[in-house]
Amino acid sequence: QKEVEQNSGPLSVPEGAIASLNCTYSDRGSQSFFWYRQYSGKSPELIMFIYSNGDKEDGRFTAQLNKASQYVSLLIRDSQPSDSATYLCAAASSGSARQLTFGSGTQLTVLP
Amino acid sequence: DAGITQSPRHKVTETGTPVTLRCHQTENHRYMYWYRQDPGHGLRLIHYSYGVKDTDKGEVSDGYSVSRSKTEDFLLTLESATSSQTSVYFCAIGGTGNGNTIYFGEGSWLTVV
Repeated sequence: QKEVEQNSGPLSVPEGAIASLNCTYSDRGSQSFFWYRQYSGKSPELIMFIYSNGDKEDGRFTAQLNKASQYVSLLIRDSQPSDSATYLCAAASSGSARQLTFGSGTQLTVLP
Repeated sequence: DAGITQSPRHKVTETGTPVTLRCHQTENHRYMYWYRQDPGHGLRLIHYSYGVKDTDKGEVSDGYSVSRSKTEDFLLTLESATSSQTSVYFCAIGGTGNGNTIYFGEGSWLTVV
C-alpha cells in the first residue's frame, strides 16, 4: 500500500523563525509532490508542488525533494501567526498521476 | 476559488438512510474526485471520475457509489449510511496541467446518528 508519512507534530515555532515540515513516501515511482495548507474547518489549499530533485522556492516557502531518500520537506521562513494551520503532504500515484495519496498532516502553531 | 460548489454543506442523518452529496464545478475539468477526511487518517480517496459516466474506485470505496451524468456534476451516494461514514467529505477537481494539481471544494460535514 502506498503511504505518505508526515512528522506528526504538533509543531510550535516562534514568530520569525523557520518552520520545517517533513514527509516521506513509500512509492518510489511517485513523480509529483504537493504541499497543502488547511486552516481549521476549511478546505485544503495548495501551497506548491515539486517534481524535480532539489529546492523550489516561492516567496517564504521552499519545497525540497530528494527522490533517492524518498523525502520531501517544506520550509517556511519568517513564520507568521497566520501560518498556523495543518500542512498536508501528498504524492501523485505512479499508477495514475492524477490520484494523490495524502499524509495525515502536521499541525503548525506560530507563537507571537 | 476553483469554481467548486458542494451541497449540502452540513447534514445530520440517521443510520440506514441514503444520502447524496453533490459536487458542481464550473471549470470544465475532466477529472473529479471525492475524498473523506478523518482525524488521524488524513484525506482518503473514495471514488474519482475521468469523464462523463467514467468512474473508478479509490482507497475507501466500500459503502459508497458515484455517478457523473454531466461534466459539471459528480454525485456521491451513501446507500445506507453508517456511523463510520461520519466525516468531512471534500470534492476536488483537476489532475491535469499545473503538475497535476487538484483543487478542493469547501467540504460537506456529514454526521450519521
